[in-house]
Amino acid sequence: KQEVTQIPAALSVPEGENLVLNCSFTDSAIYNLQWFRQDPGKGLTSLLLIQSSQREQTSGRLNASLDKSSGRSTLYIAASQPGDSATYLCAASTSGTYKYIFGTGTRLKVLA
Amino acid sequence: GAVVSQHPSWVICKSGTSVKIECRSLDFQATTMFWYRQFPKQSLMLMATSNEGSKATYEQGVEKDKFLINHASLTLSTLTVTSAHPEDSSFYICSAISGGSYEQYFGPGTRLTVT
Repeated sequence: KQEVTQIPAALSVPEGENLVLNCSFTDSAIYNLQWFRQDPGKGLTSLLLIQSSQREQTSGRLNASLDKSSGRSTLYIAASQPGDSATYLCAASTSGTYKYIFGTGTRLKVLA
Repeated sequence: GAVVSQHPSWVICKSGTSVKIECRSLDFQATTMFWYRQFPKQSLMLMATSNEGSKATYEQGVEKDKFLINHASLTLSTLTVTSAHPEDSSFYICSAISGGSYEQYFGPGTRLTVT
């Protein structure tokens, strides 16, 4: 059974710092891995999708990597801004069923 | 990009009543939709997989008689919470798969409060 965990659970950094969020999964037979942000009381905003055949994806200040063999994905945020404050979720989809198992989330606070 | 809508965005109902939540794929056909539930300060938990024209597949621990799912067309899935109780109060989010990449597109969520 796939389990997805995220470390750290919470993170507080000063504005301008580069930071890395971690996502670990137990079953390497994933179809894709997706990173989302969620603002308080809101739905999900998709950030990056990495398909199983890919190793990384980039969008603006965000870069996500995927290492299936070690069961890990990282989300790198460059030059963090207060507007980046949110909860970040990773989700792994299982090959065959395509259903997502979500990680436990990292609550990020970027201080001005 | 693919858009998924949910209706209503929030609903308050009395204990013992039933409430229906709709999930629609607006610009694509979705053979498969998923329903998730999120309690405050927790992550999303998958409730069920909804396939057009067939019965939904429920995750372990989810009562299928309480959470009725109907996927009557390629653009609409509904979740009915029957005989709602305060512990059913939660944020319900649906998603739909667009064929090819199997990327999931998520709806904006429905906040249910049972009083």
